[in-house]
Amino acid sequence: GAGVSQSPSNKVTEKGKDVELRCDPISGHTALYWYRQSLGQGLEFLIYFQGNSAPDKSGLPSDRFSAERTGGSVSTLTIQRTQQEDSAVYLCASSFSETQYFGPGTRLLVL
Amino acid sequence: QKEVEQNSGPLSVPEGAIASLNCTYSDRGSQSFFWYRQYSGKSPELIMSIYSNGDKEDGRFTAQLNKASQYVSLLIRDSQPSDSATYLCAVNEEGAQKLVFGQGTRLTINP
Repeated sequence: GAGVSQSPSNKVTEKGKDVELRCDPISGHTALYWYRQSLGQGLEFLIYFQGNSAPDKSGLPSDRFSAERTGGSVSTLTIQRTQQEDSAVYLCASSFSETQYFGPGTRLLVL
Repeated sequence: QKEVEQNSGPLSVPEGAIASLNCTYSDRGSQSFFWYRQYSGKSPELIMSIYSNGDKEDGRFTAQLNKASQYVSLLIRDSQPSDSATYLCAVNEEGAQKLVFGQGTRLTINP
């Protein structure tokens, strides 16, 4: 079946602009996770959704970051007023139980 | 603060030998343990999951879990150059569906 998909695959933006990153989870997966991975670094947890609610948003680095999930499916991660330090790969994962399956990621470059 | 610790490496192993990757975790209540493989520029993919003390084998891969010592390991037998990647250990948080990831161990198999 179809895996987790993310769009866009690459995004180049100018400092100060807003960006939206999209994640389509595996059908039927109730949980959805956003991570950030900087070059050569580990996974940094951002936020976790169970259905449409976010029981854990402890990893969002600042109030410029927000995320929502609608219909228990698609999720959007929004970064407002982007900064150069936001440049990273943003990974989405989904799960039905505890095993998480990752999407291909969105590579964000802030110039 | 739940922690998962891995030796960052790089770990260099000759082709055909056994590669041994180790991980320790801080949350005594953790019940689910995962190993992910991440090739450079790609997203993590699940290799093994283990839930009970002891060994679990899948092809050339063996996961070992010792909950008393809070230790989980991954053995790769007959290592191949295609096994060269970063290996991420992940552990569930007690009472939560969220996984805590280690920083990863970079493994290089030398032909």
